[in-house]
Amino acid sequence: KNEVEQSPQNLTAQEGEFITINCSYSVGISALHWLQQHPGGGIVSLFMLSSGKKKHGRLIATINIQEKHSSLHITASHPRDSAVYICAVRGRPSGGGADGLTFGKGTHLIIQP
Amino acid sequence: DVKVTQSSRYLVKRTGEKVFLECVQDMDHENMFWYRQDPGLGLRLIYFSYDVKMKEKGDIPEGYSVSREKKERFSLILESASTNQTSMYLCASSLGWTGNNEQFFGPGTRLTVL
Repeated sequence: KNEVEQSPQNLTAQEGEFITINCSYSVGISALHWLQQHPGGGIVSLFMLSSGKKKHGRLIATINIQEKHSSLHITASHPRDSAVYICAVRGRPSGGGADGLTFGKGTHLIIQP
Repeated sequence: DVKVTQSSRYLVKRTGEKVFLECVQDMDHENMFWYRQDPGLGLRLIYFSYDVKMKEKGDIPEGYSVSREKKERFSLILESASTNQTSMYLCASSLGWTGNNEQFFGPGTRLTVL
């Protein structure tokens, strides 16, 4: 079973700062997902990646398959970025069993004005 | 836009009651999932369905069952609710295998079992 570790668990920063959230996993994967959860519970998928780098607006996600590590970066952070950011992985296909994700415990980000 | 809806945002039940949590998606997705989310533990997969009437156990299926009679609807059933099933329950769906398809989540149901 894959172990997914995120760091930091909590992060408070000032508006405008560059933010980095890290995710490490223990077993080879087929895809890694970054998710955002706002207060109230709703979860939104930000990125799904299996190699390289993806960018969407002020968000950038990178993955290093060899090192089993991914980072989520937020440039020019804003108070509306305050949320829990969750890393999740999908293992390589094994010919059967549940197709769910394995999740990290999340990083609680607060951006202060 | 994909929409995943859940029947209730908040639910309070008593120990021993049978509880039904309903999830509906409107994008003809094959795969549907039920997760629970607990502080300090993150999200954990309870059950997964890849087709009508098909289901697979996830990491924590004990105390739960599921039903998928129609493609758009996936129900989670707590046969006899217990206090340790107090949690946030999230439903999700995806077009196909999550190795190359993103998951879309419902708003969640916060269940309290007294």
